[in-house]
Amino acid sequence: QQQVKQSPQSLIVQKGGIPIINCAYENTAFDYFPWYQQFPGKGPALLIAIRPDVSEKKEGRFTISFNKSAKQFSLHIMDSQPGDSATYFCAATFNYQLIWGAGTKLIIKP
Amino acid sequence: NAGVTQTPKFQVLKTGQSMTLQCAQDMNHNSMYWYRQDPGMGLRLIYYSASEGTTDKGEVPNGYNVSRLNKREFSLRLESAAPSQTSVYFCASRSLGGKETQYFGPGTRLLVL
Repeated sequence: QQQVKQSPQSLIVQKGGIPIINCAYENTAFDYFPWYQQFPGKGPALLIAIRPDVSEKKEGRFTISFNKSAKQFSLHIMDSQPGDSATYFCAATFNYQLIWGAGTKLIIKP
Repeated sequence: NAGVTQTPKFQVLKTGQSMTLQCAQDMNHNSMYWYRQDPGMGLRLIYYSASEGTTDKGEVPNGYNVSRLNKREFSLRLESAAPSQTSVYFCASRSLGGKETQYFGPGTRLLVL
């Protein structure tokens, strides 16, 4: 009930391609869905987030698509660049806690 | 404005030794968190403090204790370290409002031999 399932575990995309990372959840009490980006040796940092009353949110090259009925949400990175290579985590907020997905290691090939 | 700071950056312990990981934030946030990160498992919540004076267990609290010393500081203690506690430990603080965000420290890499 408290899990957030994230896929794929790893992803390799050519520069300019559109990587898509998917997450699914069960608990309808979740009310906030952020994505965090983590570079090696650093802590995660907030990338973009969405609330469940919105179906899509764009910030620069990053887009979250949210399907409330399916309890799924996804991250799309437009015109991906080698500098986007990082680990991406989806998460969901419940009470004071963030419930984290397991992460996706993304590599963008030049 | 340093954000979230953690000390030490790296530590090697022998099984059975104790240590305290320190965390401080200068953003006046009420909520603070301790996570551990292991390969392929994402971040797992150890303990959190919703506000000064309160602490609660997260997903993996066994073997750890915490102290919310004041609004700025939240420490994590390993009383008797075990090899299973080898991990990277992150402290975070949480801002509320329109763009709710957890701000993370740089992490402490702990190796227990």
